[in-house]
Amino acid sequence: DAGVTQSPTHLIKTRGQQVTLRCSPKSGHDTVSWYQQALGQGPQFIFQYYEEEERQRGNFPDRFSGHQFPNYSSELNVNALLLGDSALYLCASSSPAGRGEQYFGPGTRLTVT
Amino acid sequence: DAKTTQPPSMDCAEGRAANLPCNHSTISGNEYVYWYRQIHSQGPQYIIHGLKNNETNEMASLIITEDRKSSTLILPHATLRDTAVYYCIVGPSYNTDKLIFGTGTRLQVFP
Repeated sequence: DAGVTQSPTHLIKTRGQQVTLRCSPKSGHDTVSWYQQALGQGPQFIFQYYEEEERQRGNFPDRFSGHQFPNYSSELNVNALLLGDSALYLCASSSPAGRGEQYFGPGTRLTVT
Repeated sequence: DAKTTQPPSMDCAEGRAANLPCNHSTISGNEYVYWYRQIHSQGPQYIIHGLKNNETNEMASLIITEDRKSSTLILPHATLRDTAVYYCIVGPSYNTDKLIFGTGTRLQVFP
């Protein structure tokens, strides 16, 4: 049983560009959350998708947007990249039938130059 | 902001018990205590959670004080692979809710 997978592993972009990150949830999970983790900090919640809709959102600008597909996979899009967007982007999946835990992927390391 | 306070770092000898404290004095009655850990360059990993009773699983034990204002995560026999940042998180019981991470405790297990 594959866990949460994310692609790509690493990415280098230039300031002002746009980026799309992808996440496939753990089998049987229907909810996907995205987190941003700056160096030396704990992960910060960006938003969560359930039934193809954004259900919750953290304190992130509209440059951050997402999508969830019918197969529960998800994308995170960031427009007009800033140097401060350089971080590890983590995807987590969960299920209402679960015991309370979220399963995290390995993350995508984004570097903005 | 995170609702928990943890020491920034701790050391533990391999084979000994690691006791990681967490203060959550503003916890409300329906909030759970969750513990996750993050090994270098990996995504966070769920360890355990509890409401008011002590909990134990194959990874760790969670001891919550009677007033629920603090808790301790216990790794009974720490190994080098337990070296990681440990996060204590307070939140509702819905496993699909957002997690609010603090800066955690960096546990270093030494030989």
